[in-house]
Amino acid sequence: KQEVTQIPAALSVPEGENLVLNCSFTDSAIYNLQWFRQDPGKGLTSLLLIQSSQREQTSGRLNASLDKSSGRSTLYIAASQPGDSATYLCAVRRNTGNQFYFGTGTSLTVIP
Amino acid sequence: NAGVTQTPKFRVLKTGQSMTLLCAQDMNHEYMYWYRQDPGMGLRLIHYSVGEGTTAKGEVPDGYNVSRLKKQNFLLGLESAAPSQTSVYFCASSLTTNEQFFGPGTRLTVL
Repeated sequence: KQEVTQIPAALSVPEGENLVLNCSFTDSAIYNLQWFRQDPGKGLTSLLLIQSSQREQTSGRLNASLDKSSGRSTLYIAASQPGDSATYLCAVRRNTGNQFYFGTGTSLTVIP
Repeated sequence: NAGVTQTPKFRVLKTGQSMTLLCAQDMNHEYMYWYRQDPGMGLRLIHYSVGEGTTAKGEVPDGYNVSRLKKQNFLLGLESAAPSQTSVYFCASSLTTNEQFFGPGTRLTVL
């Protein structure tokens, strides 16, 4: 079974700081990896999808990287803003089967 | 384009009652999924479907049934609700194996 871990569980930073969120997975035979944000009481919003053949994806101030061999992905957020405060989740789809495996998320607070 | 919608948004059941959660998507996606989200557990897959008329079990299927009679709809049923099924339920869809899109969730409480 694929295990997905996100550390730290919570992170608090001052506005304007650049930050990195981590996602690690135990089985490197993945098809793709997706990063989401979740606001309190809301659904998940897709941020970035990285295919297994890719090393990184960028969208605005967000950059996600993937290192399959080490079982790691990072989400880099540049120039953080209070509106970035949310829980960030990563999910991994394996090569076989149709299941996504989710981490438990990192709760980010950006302090004005 | 509404994306993925879920009905109802909130529901309270008594133990032993039954109910059906409806998920609808207007993106012509083949794949649809039902997840539950519990504190400290992350999202766990209950059932999924890779096309109209097909369903398959996920990680935590016990106590739930699903049906995909139309491509745009995916129903999740609880035949005899238990307090352990108190959770937030999310539906998602994707165009085959690519990016998943989520609905807003249904908060279910079983007393």
